[in-house]
Amino acid sequence: GENVEQHPSTLSVQEGDSAVIKCTYSDSASNYFPWYKQELGKRPQLIIDIRSNVGEKKDQRIAVTLNKTAKHFSLHITETQPEDSAVYFCAASLGGSYIPTFGRGTSLIVHP
Amino acid sequence: DAGVIQSPRHEVTEMGQEVTLRCKPISGHDYLFWYRQTMMRGLELLIYFNNNVPIDDSGMPEDRFSAKMPNASFSTLKIQPSEPRDSAVYFCASSLGQGAGEKLFFGSGTQLSVL
Repeated sequence: GENVEQHPSTLSVQEGDSAVIKCTYSDSASNYFPWYKQELGKRPQLIIDIRSNVGEKKDQRIAVTLNKTAKHFSLHITETQPEDSAVYFCAASLGGSYIPTFGRGTSLIVHP
Repeated sequence: DAGVIQSPRHEVTEMGQEVTLRCKPISGHDYLFWYRQTMMRGLELLIYFNNNVPIDDSGMPEDRFSAKMPNASFSTLKIQPSEPRDSAVYFCASSLGQGAGEKLFFGSGTQLSVL
């Protein structure tokens, strides 16, 4: 089955800095890559996703890049703010399976 | 739609007791997932249903865990007997499961503490 590795497990940055979280996947048939944000005590919520026919996607301060050849994808957050502090999960799913495999999560801490 | 609804939000019980967690998925969603979240293991998929049918329960830790989905609007996760190591946050999630409907919508979770 699919295996998703996520790094780092913890990331601490100063407000205004950029943050990058990286994930690798094992199954080349995976074609959907979502990112979920979980604030403390809250539920995970989708913040951005990308499909394998696209190399990059942006939404304001967040962007996701995908390298199909290397089988890795990354979340980029620019101009970080304290409210970006949360646990971020990457995931991958095979085409048409609707069953995501999650990474272990990255705890992002943004210091004011 | 009110989103995925889970109950209870918090459950404190004693070892050996039966625990039942409840979930109401978003209307029209074909997939329902049960996850367990702990610091050590992250988000673990326990079981998922497609159109009310259990498809994969390989993530269920042991026979003490069981899940049902008697209809499209209700699912339960039962632990009997409960043990302290079952303490975790249990999330239910649903997805449309058609076309581009891979997005998971999570419930608020049930914080389970087994003493």
